[in-house]
Amino acid sequence: SQELEQSPQSLIVQEGKNLTINCTSSKTLYGLYWYKQKYGEGLIFLMMLQKGGEEKSHEKITAKLDEKKQQSSLHITASQPSHAGIYLCGAGSQGAQKLVFGQGTRLTINP
Amino acid sequence: DADVTQTPRNRITKTGKRIMLECSQTKGHDRMYWYRQDPGLGLRLIYYSFDVKDINKGEISDGYSVSRQAQAKFSLSLESAIPNQTALYFCATRSFRGGELFFGEGSRLTVL
Repeated sequence: SQELEQSPQSLIVQEGKNLTINCTSSKTLYGLYWYKQKYGEGLIFLMMLQKGGEEKSHEKITAKLDEKKQQSSLHITASQPSHAGIYLCGAGSQGAQKLVFGQGTRLTINP
Repeated sequence: DADVTQTPRNRITKTGKRIMLECSQTKGHDRMYWYRQDPGLGLRLIYYSFDVKDINKGEISDGYSVSRQAQAKFSLSLESAIPNQTALYFCATRSFRGGELFFGEGSRLTVL
């Protein structure tokens, strides 16, 4: 079965700094989802990447999909306290609707 | 009203009790999922359903059962709850066309 590994598992950055979170798949990626979760709360959809090389941005968050590396990266520019939370990547197998998620990356923003 | 509604939002129960978590959606989606979240483990898939007659086990189905009462309703049951089933449970839906997975607000279950 497909497994997703996120790195780092935990990240502490100073407000205003840039940061990157990676999501690596054990199998070929045919679609990759990024979600954000405030601690103990529901999940907020950030973006979905479907094609190799695809890049999407939402406000100060940019995500890229590298199909060859079976990897996606999430980059936050000029981090703010509102960016704090848990970031989760999810993916499904080709032709299947079974969606699995990584273990999450806990992001803390220090003032 | 939320597109995906979970009840109860919080529940404390004792070991050995039967618990049911309910999920209903107004998205008109045929795909529904139940996930469990534990600290440091992300979301793990318990069961998923493609339609009322199609139910599939996920990664961690032992100790759980589900019922798809209608296209819009998908319930998760713990027949005899145990403490290590203490977790945050999420229901989600998705269109058969793919795209975004829509999540409920979560049900926090504590088994004493």
